[in-house]
Amino acid sequence: DSGVTQTPKHLITATGQRVTLRCSPRSGDLSVYWYQQSLDQGLQFLIQYYNGEERAKGNILERFSAQQFPDLHSELNLSSLELGDSALYFCASSVDPGRGNEQFFGPGTRLTVL
Amino acid sequence: AQTVTQSQPEMSVQEAETVTLSCTYDTSENNYYLFWYKQPPSRQMILVIRQEAYKQQNATENRFSVNFQKAAKSFSLKISDSQLGDTAMYFCAFMKLLSGGSNYKLTFGKGTLLTVNP
Repeated sequence: DSGVTQTPKHLITATGQRVTLRCSPRSGDLSVYWYQQSLDQGLQFLIQYYNGEERAKGNILERFSAQQFPDLHSELNLSSLELGDSALYFCASSVDPGRGNEQFFGPGTRLTVL
Repeated sequence: AQTVTQSQPEMSVQEAETVTLSCTYDTSENNYYLFWYKQPPSRQMILVIRQEAYKQQNATENRFSVNFQKAAKSFSLKISDSQLGDTAMYFCAFMKLLSGGSNYKLTFGKGTLLTVNP
């Protein structure tokens, strides 16, 4: 158990819908990262937050957005869902992004878009 | 952009034997970090080992060790005394400092599926 929690574990929805994925980092970790794992794209970095502020963006679509709240939990919002958004979405956390610390991954949320 | 290449999509090894997984990367950076992550059938991403580019000494973690060749941009993982529980997808990952601040992101290879046979 990495100490990072993600809910829900599984999510099945239809095209065009909107969903919210939730992540709670390890106790004491200020930085949260979101990754998408799909068969065709592999594991891709989406976005990073540090202590409530967006720090870096990767291959995140405009239909996706995220935020980190004062209690440090983070939410990833996916809207206007398409079949291709079906993937495993991971959240990871680390103590200090400035020191190349290890990122600890949550168990992931499997999103299926029908 | 950084790229990470794992040239072996699948490998297999007999229990108790040694296996080496290959990884090469492309970067113009001098300071960076390299990782191997393991993803068993449960899908959980588990850190196996980490290497700082400024350290010449190869990292070791119990049965896991790396061969880090900075000039060749190579970072292979050796698993000794393979166990059935080592069966998993193994991802090599590169971490660099992003421009504009102290921010890091992981760039992953496509993975190598390792099967340990009894």
